[in-house]
Amino acid sequence: GAVVSQHPSRVICKSGTSVKIECRSLDFQATTMFWYRQFPKQSLMLMATSNEGSKATYEQGVEKDKFLINHASLTLSTLTVTSAHPEDSSFYICSAVGLEGPQHFGDGTRLSIL
Amino acid sequence: GESVGLHLPTLSVQEGDNSIINCAYSNSASDYFIWYKQESGKGPQFIIDIRSNMDKRQGQRVTVLLNKTVKHLSLQIAATQPGDSAVYFCAENPSGGYNKLIFGAGTRLAVHP
Repeated sequence: GAVVSQHPSRVICKSGTSVKIECRSLDFQATTMFWYRQFPKQSLMLMATSNEGSKATYEQGVEKDKFLINHASLTLSTLTVTSAHPEDSSFYICSAVGLEGPQHFGDGTRLSIL
Repeated sequence: GESVGLHLPTLSVQEGDNSIINCAYSNSASDYFIWYKQESGKGPQFIIDIRSNMDKRQGQRVTVLLNKTVKHLSLQIAATQPGDSAVYFCAENPSGGYNKLIFGAGTRLAVHP
């Protein structure tokens, strides 16, 4: 089945640091990747849609300068949380979709900002 | 619309019983629906999907039912096992194809021996 790898699985860093999270589709080419944020005991909230070779589309209320997304190839998208603060602490999850079929998810990155 | 849940409802079942998890979706124009299972500390795992031109689809031990009239989706799990314990999310695709998904609030399934 389709495999999506997300790295790192956990990050703990100081306030003001920028953190990069990688999302890779391992056995298929992802035409589109998505980035979600999930708070404890809540559902997934879509942050942005990332298409290879073009600018990401951000959902309403998501700061594009805060959450930088790069989708440089059909198998890799990155999310950079710039100048992270404690309120950015969360579980960030990516997903990828190929030419057809459902979104397949990575195992998430737990970000903790001290 | 977007789904934000402060408290996950919990469904408790005995091992071996059948489970039914329900979901109300928001957009009557949605034509593709997916059920995902999320275990603690992991990303959602695809279980089964259904298009709006169907009202029932079966997989291994799972069945999804779609009632477009009342915008209701359900997931039935036969002979529930301890490994089925997780949070289950329904998701709808309001724009057709396999584009962005809107997730429901989620239901926690607790399976007791």
